Amino acid sequence: DTGVSQDPRHKITKRGQNVTFRCDPISEHNRLYWYRQTLGQGPEFLTYFQNEAQLEKSRLLSDRFSAERPKGSFSTLEIQRTEQGDSAMYLCASSPVMGTDTQYFGPGTRLTVL
Amino acid sequence: AQTVTQSQPEMSVQEAETVTLSCTYDTSESDYYLFWYKQPPSRQMILVIRQEAYKQQNATENRFSVNFQKAAKSFSLKISDSQLGDAAMYFCASTTSGTYKYIFGTGTRLKVLA
Repeated sequence: DTGVSQDPRHKITKRGQNVTFRCDPISEHNRLYWYRQTLGQGPEFLTYFQNEAQLEKSRLLSDRFSAERPKGSFSTLEIQRTEQGDSAMYLCASSPVMGTDTQYFGPGTRLTVL
Repeated sequence: AQTVTQSQPEMSVQEAETVTLSCTYDTSESDYYLFWYKQPPSRQMILVIRQEAYKQQNATENRFSVNFQKAAKSFSLKISDSQLGDAAMYFCASTTSGTYKYIFGTGTRLKVLA
């Protein structure tokens, strides 16, 4: 069990560019979640998948954001036409379907939009 | 809608002493779960303790215990014999069965003084 991994750990981009982040959940965890955390705040829910199905999206997830989990394994989060307000830590978490509701978090991707 | 409130932005405790972090929540659901997560500086969030709302007994994990007051919708975390490694941001979170997404509080920064 290698834990949840995220790539890259840090991303600096210019306003207007597109960025894509990857999350690899704990193997055999069916549920995968994305959160956004800004400085001094708790994480805010963005979206979640059960296997490859995206079951819920937050209103925070504007049409510039898209997330996929094509084969029910890893997931990608893409932000198009980045804005300075997108600067944040993007956290991924996973959990098994059965058992507890405990989510296991990755180290996050810190995005800085210049 | 669920809400989670942490009213203490920062707390300090002397090494080996006991400290209590406060959390209140609001939910209309009867089946929900409460969590405390620890986020050390520049490191990933890890679960400290978990409580099912239907259980009357307070959860305990080694030096960490909770005081779950269901009627008051209060869920405080007690850390006994504080250690330097306990210094971190602590987040209280809730989720309800069926939604799975976490709602986080704004966090409490805990400083441990040697």
